[in-house]
Amino acid sequence: IAGITQAPTSQILAAGRRMTLRCTQDMRHNAMYWYRQDLGLGLRLIHYSNTAGTTGKGEVPDGYSVSRANTDDFPLTLASAVPSQTSVYFCASSLTLAGGTDTQYFGPGTRLTVL
Amino acid sequence: SQQGEEDPQALSIQEGENATMNCSYKTSINNLQWYRQNSGRGLVHLILIRSNEREKHSGRLRVTLDTSKKSSSLLITASRAADTASYFCATLKTGANSKLTFGKGITLSVRP
Repeated sequence: IAGITQAPTSQILAAGRRMTLRCTQDMRHNAMYWYRQDLGLGLRLIHYSNTAGTTGKGEVPDGYSVSRANTDDFPLTLASAVPSQTSVYFCASSLTLAGGTDTQYFGPGTRLTVL
Repeated sequence: SQQGEEDPQALSIQEGENATMNCSYKTSINNLQWYRQNSGRGLVHLILIRSNEREKHSGRLRVTLDTSKKSSSLLITASRAADTASYFCATLKTGANSKLTFGKGITLSVRP
């Protein structure tokens, strides 16, 4: 069982380019999340999905989009990357939408640099 | 602004000593969770404490919650060099559709 995998591990991207970060989980969790982690700011929620076919905006959604075509995959797309999107991106999942006693399981992260 | 804020920002102790980390939050919560992050890795859940609980233990970890003061503490006893990591508190506010909100983290260094 892999848990959550993310790809790529790291990427250097020119500003203005489109980029999709991939996230796959094999735990059959209903809820999935994308966070960005920046020094001094901690983790901030970008988008989330509480079940396949539905998504929602988090704290910092601008410049990002997500889709949830099935239970396992939750890709994050930067339509036109800007340098302020340089960050470490973490995908996470939980059985349900952070309700009750659910805990979140995190992927290993994608380090993205936008030049 | 962050719902949960950890204190101190950084902590350096000697192996074998206890490490105490604190978290304060602003609004009513359903539960509070502590996570650990090793350098270059994703976060790993350590322990969850519900709003109606005051203390929980898990191995060398002890978590307390004081809802009247809106604060929690994480105690790691008999620390080891392998405990060196960043520790985050995360709060789940009460109310429908609430999501976990993470603090900025505490960097713990345990010197061998």
